[in-house]
Amino acid sequence: EPEVTQTPSHQVTQMGQEVILRCVPISNHLYFYWYRQILGQKVEFLVSFYNNEISEKSEIFDDQFSVERPDGSNFTLKIRSTKLEDSAMYFCATHGPSSRDEQYFGPGTRLTVT
Amino acid sequence: AQTVTQSQPEMSVQEAETVTLSCTYDTSESNYYLFWYKQPPSRQMILVIRQEAYKQQNATENRFSVNFQKAAKSFSLKISDSQLGDTAMYFCAFMSGDTGNQFYFGTGTSLTVIP
Repeated sequence: EPEVTQTPSHQVTQMGQEVILRCVPISNHLYFYWYRQILGQKVEFLVSFYNNEISEKSEIFDDQFSVERPDGSNFTLKIRSTKLEDSAMYFCATHGPSSRDEQYFGPGTRLTVT
Repeated sequence: AQTVTQSQPEMSVQEAETVTLSCTYDTSESNYYLFWYKQPPSRQMILVIRQEAYKQQNATENRFSVNFQKAAKSFSLKISDSQLGDTAMYFCAFMSGDTGNQFYFGTGTSLTVIP
């Protein structure tokens, strides 16, 4: 069964550093999402991405964050100048080609900011 | 904005017994989708079951079934013949059928299956 993959599985970074989280979607999927889950809390929507541009974003997704699909395969989330409160699990989800298709979640990247 | 409420932070059930997890949601839309996701200790999000709001028939997947009450905006998950591997966090999620595809998640219910 096809699956969404994410790298790295765990990233430790110092406060103020930049991190890039990567997601490889299922090959024919066209819609991409990032979600965040702070430990012990619910999963929160960050951003959706379709046709090489952001479709929607939440209040959490401020100027510190950016997304892109630089090579047509990987879908990345960049966090600039990380803060302690950015420590969380970050999930990529994808679906397609219909916007009504099921979303498949990746295994997540655990980000620890020290 | 859509909201999803799970009022049971923790639940437990004896192995082989049946348990029901509650979920309510608030929306003004008529076209939407509801989901239950399971998150085991590995923290992977695994789809358990999905319900389209336009379908009156409750979705069923093997030991998992839902009780979808559209008028009451209620979407509970019933797990029959509970197994140790069902121990996990369970999240209820809402997706609009009209305005964007992002999920709105509830706060989750931690289910423990007791041997």
